[in-house]
Amino acid sequence: KQEVTQIPAALSVPEGENLVLNCSFTDSAIYNLQWFRQDPGKGLTSLLLIQSSQREQTSGRLNASLDKSSGRSTLYIAASQPGDSATYLCAVSSRESYKLIFGSGTRLLVRP
Amino acid sequence: ETGVTQTPRHLVMGMTNKKSLKCEQHLGHNAMYWYKQSAKKPLELMFVYSLEERVENNSVPSRFSPECPNSSHLFLHLHTLQPEDSALYLCASSQDGLNTEAFFGQGTRLTVV
Repeated sequence: KQEVTQIPAALSVPEGENLVLNCSFTDSAIYNLQWFRQDPGKGLTSLLLIQSSQREQTSGRLNASLDKSSGRSTLYIAASQPGDSATYLCAVSSRESYKLIFGSGTRLLVRP
Repeated sequence: ETGVTQTPRHLVMGMTNKKSLKCEQHLGHNAMYWYKQSAKKPLELMFVYSLEERVENNSVPSRFSPECPNSSHLFLHLHTLQPEDSALYLCASSQDGLNTEAFFGQGTRLTVV
């Protein structure tokens, strides 16, 4: 059974700092991995999608990497801003179903 | 704006009420999903529809009844809910079910009293 873990559960950093969020999964047989952002009480915004054949994806100040063999992904945020404060969720897609399996998220606070 | 719209945004209902959540997507996607997000728990998949056919039902109680009349609309009919069903209900869509990016709506915050 696929399990997704995100560490740390919460993170507080000063503005301008570069930071890394971690995601690990137990079954490497995935189709893709997706990083989302969720603001309090809101829906999810897709940030980056990495296909299983890819090693990384970049969008602006965000860079996500995928190491399928070790079951790990990282989301790197450069030059963090207070507007980056949100919960960041990673999810992996299963080869057997349409299901996205989510981690519990990392709650990020960027202090001005 | 993700192209997936959910209504209502907030809903308070009694345990004997019947209500429906609505989801609409204008992205031309073929797959639509209902997820449940409870406090301090990861998102849980409830139902998946692909080309208007239900392809997954994740052991969801029968008091939740999905309906997909066409590829752009998805409903979740609610009846005789329990207080523990209070949660954020999220709708999502993707081009097809596998290997494609999922887009989520803003969710319906449901409170059962």
